[in-house]
Amino acid sequence: DPKIIQKPKYLVAVTGSEKILICEQYLGHNAMYWYRQSAKKPLEFMFSYSYQKLMDNQTASSRFQPQSSKKNHLDLQITALKPDDSATYFCASSQRIQAPLFGEGTRLSVL
Amino acid sequence: QQKVQQSPESLIVPEGGMASLNCTSSDRNVDYFWWYRQHSGKSPKMLMSIFSNGEKEEGRFTVHLNKASLHTSLHIRDSQPSDSALYLCAATSGGNYKPTFGKGTSLVVHP
Repeated sequence: DPKIIQKPKYLVAVTGSEKILICEQYLGHNAMYWYRQSAKKPLEFMFSYSYQKLMDNQTASSRFQPQSSKKNHLDLQITALKPDDSATYFCASSQRIQAPLFGEGTRLSVL
Repeated sequence: QQKVQQSPESLIVPEGGMASLNCTSSDRNVDYFWWYRQHSGKSPKMLMSIFSNGEKEEGRFTVHLNKASLHTSLHIRDSQPSDSALYLCAATSGGNYKPTFGKGTSLVVHP
């Protein structure tokens, strides 16, 4: 059974729209992360949360907003989508500063 | 902001050969290094971790760490075609919640 669930697996959006990427982890980890990976850029850190508190933010654009309704949830809201946002978005979690474990990713295409 | 540099960008080795991958952090406060493997279309999976100077071996995989030079290396002996993947090095420092990844080394093992 997957321990980190990301939904949806694939997502197609039009330019200017808004989407929410879902992530839940059932490992009891206290830290959750979002990373982005595309053909143009390597695996890129976006956010980290611990116990629903933002720990670090490396995303310049305010169009990307993490949302944590429970300590094992960390969703990612993306507004005013652009074609450049097309990428695979990975959610990950870890216990304190142990190695992050990754979900299977959400592949986003913006047309 | 920590940077993680990996070399070479790509590597081709024959089946049964030795693959050697390198990784260096720019941050003197680096605590942990992790090596991940990512097969095409999949999420990164942690292979090995190291945080003390020296060497660690697990099966065909050996990791070295020299903290003074902020350098780690991964060696794969008796390489198999199934080892063909993107190898990512990650590091974290100062107890922060920001595991940072390098651009990776693309390894191809040809039969």
